[in-house]
Amino acid sequence: AQRVTQPEKLLSVFKGAPVELKCNYSYSGSPELFWYVQYSRQRLQLLLRHISRESIKGFTADLNKGETSFHLKKPFAQEEDSAMYYCALKGGGFKTIFGAGTRLFVKA
Amino acid sequence: SAVISQKPSRDICQRGTSLTIQCQVDSQVTMMFWYRQQPGQSLTLIATANQGSEATYESGFVIDKFPISRPNLTFSTLTVSNMSPEDSSIYLCSVMGGSYEQYFGPGTRLTVT
Repeated sequence: AQRVTQPEKLLSVFKGAPVELKCNYSYSGSPELFWYVQYSRQRLQLLLRHISRESIKGFTADLNKGETSFHLKKPFAQEEDSAMYYCALKGGGFKTIFGAGTRLFVKA
Repeated sequence: SAVISQKPSRDICQRGTSLTIQCQVDSQVTMMFWYRQQPGQSLTLIATANQGSEATYESGFVIDKFPISRPNLTFSTLTVSNMSPEDSSIYLCSVMGGSYEQYFGPGTRLTVT
């Protein structure tokens, strides 16, 4: 079965501190993994995808197939990073499965 | 990328009535997706809508409750029928990009009283 697990519903860090949002997945094949972000009063939008191995707004995420993880990291959190973050998996077909989401709160 | 609009942005409806949500995309797309996001929960896929064919519904969702139309490659509607308070949710329309990423509409916030 395809599953995405985000163990933390809420993550609170101080500005300038490192942040890591955890994501684990369950899928027997080669997954396509994504992080989406929803800022207050904005629509859900793509943050980054594992296949492009990019850094967006200082965030990176590395696919670890051995640990079936795709954690999102940023070395120095900013207040504007406060948002809801969703990890998502596209397995076979065109269906995307979303995790429960983690609300990141960056304190001044 | 794709720009997606939805109407209405929000509505308050009485139980037993129906609401049709419209989704418009600024480019032609083969597949459109409808999601539900209940309060405090993640996104759940309701159905996938292809132009010219019946929508494909996920487990737990049926056509009688959530009929979908897809008359052309830029437009789709989702109807929430015979509503109950449990249908109170945000309904999202989305399309898929070339690298399987999803683009979302702003959502329709439905409250059923």
